[in-house]
This record gives sequence, structure tokens and C-alpha cells, in this order.
Amino acid sequence: DQQVKQNSPSLSVQEGRISILNCDYTNSMFDYFLWYKKYPAEGPTFLISISSIKDKNEDGRFTVFLNKSAKHLSLHIVPSQPGDSAVYFCAADTGTASKLTFGTGTRLQVTL
Amino acid sequence: GAGVSQSPRYKVAKRGQDVALRCDPISGHVSLFWYQQALGQGPEFLTYFQNEAQLDKSGLPSDRFFAERPEGSVSTLKIQRTQQEDSAVYLCASSPPTSGMAFFGQGTRLTVV
Repeated sequence: DQQVKQNSPSLSVQEGRISILNCDYTNSMFDYFLWYKKYPAEGPTFLISISSIKDKNEDGRFTVFLNKSAKHLSLHIVPSQPGDSAVYFCAADTGTASKLTFGTGTRLQVTL
Repeated sequence: GAGVSQSPRYKVAKRGQDVALRCDPISGHVSLFWYQQALGQGPEFLTYFQNEAQLDKSGLPSDRFFAERPEGSVSTLKIQRTQQEDSAVYLCASSPPTSGMAFFGQGTRLTVV
């Protein structure tokens, strides 16, 4: 039972363009969402988060959008840079801060 | 160090061997988590501590898996009688009180041969 889904295993984007990574969830109890970035042989690194009381959170080149009615969130990276090439994981929490449920990840490749 | 530290980074175990994986969380972080990440998958929750109390161990796949955090700081994940299906990266994370934001270590890659 995959409660957090990232249906695109990979994405290729040209440098300078926008990268859009998508995530869907099924558990309506989730109320806090996070994006993590992972380079090979490293642990996931926190990128940006959003609480369910908001529909948008922005931090520099990174913006996360949340559509609660559709149980969908997306991460926008603009402009994309080669250093953004990594695997991105969407994660969700029920607000208890006791565990995260992760998606399977999307591998982003930013080409020159 | 400032981040979550895990050791060893890599471990090769023969099937049936016991292993112990160590995690040093960020100082002052009350919450500590263990996750298992299989190849091509996202991290999956194993267990959660708040200080020394193990509040949730629902993700531990079998009774061969055991975790402890006796003094509320360093934690050890022990796997007894390892099996090939235990091969994965084991990630430890810690977070400040009441925060859902977890900070991860680099993980321990366990290979059971």
C-alpha cells in the first residue's frame, strides 16, 4: 500500500529551464510534507517543506505547491542547474513528528 | 560533528551473522529514527525513539531486528541471523522536539552474502 507516490521515476530538464516534480498521496491524515534531495552514497538532505494550512511555500529557486483536494504536491525548481541533478523524494507526516512516509523518488537530470 | 553520524559506512555480513549498526544523532535532538532503503525504493520507516523510549517499532520487519537507545543519545540497530533480504541501506535520522523535519545520516550499506 503505497501511501505516497512519485509516478515519474526520472526527469530530464535543460539547464535554466523549470523542473517540476510531482507527488501524490492517499492518506488524508497527512498534514506536513517535505522534499528531500539525495546524491549517490549520501543520506537524504532536507530541501523544503509545507504545512497543510498553506498551498505554497517558496525558498529561493525552490517552490512547493500543495493541492489538498487533489492530494497532490509538486516541487518547482527554477532555474534548474546541473548541481540539482539528484534523486528527489517526497515525504509526508501525520503531524505527530514520529515518522515520515516516503515516495519512491524521481531522478532529476539537468543537462547543459 | 554537526550532523548525524553513522558507522560503519559499509558492512558485508555472511548469511546468519549478527550485525550492529551505530547512529550518533545531532546533539540535543530528542527524536531518532531508523529507516531501511532498498535499491530503487524510498526509505521505509523501521522504528522511532523519543529520548531513550522506543515509541514505535511497527516498521521492524521481524523479531531479528532490534534497536536501542539506552541513554537517549547514541542508538544501535542490531540485526540477528542476517538474511539476504536484509541487504539495504540503513538510514538514521534525528529531529528537534515537535519538528517533523528529520536530518539524515549518510547511511550504512549492508550487504549480506
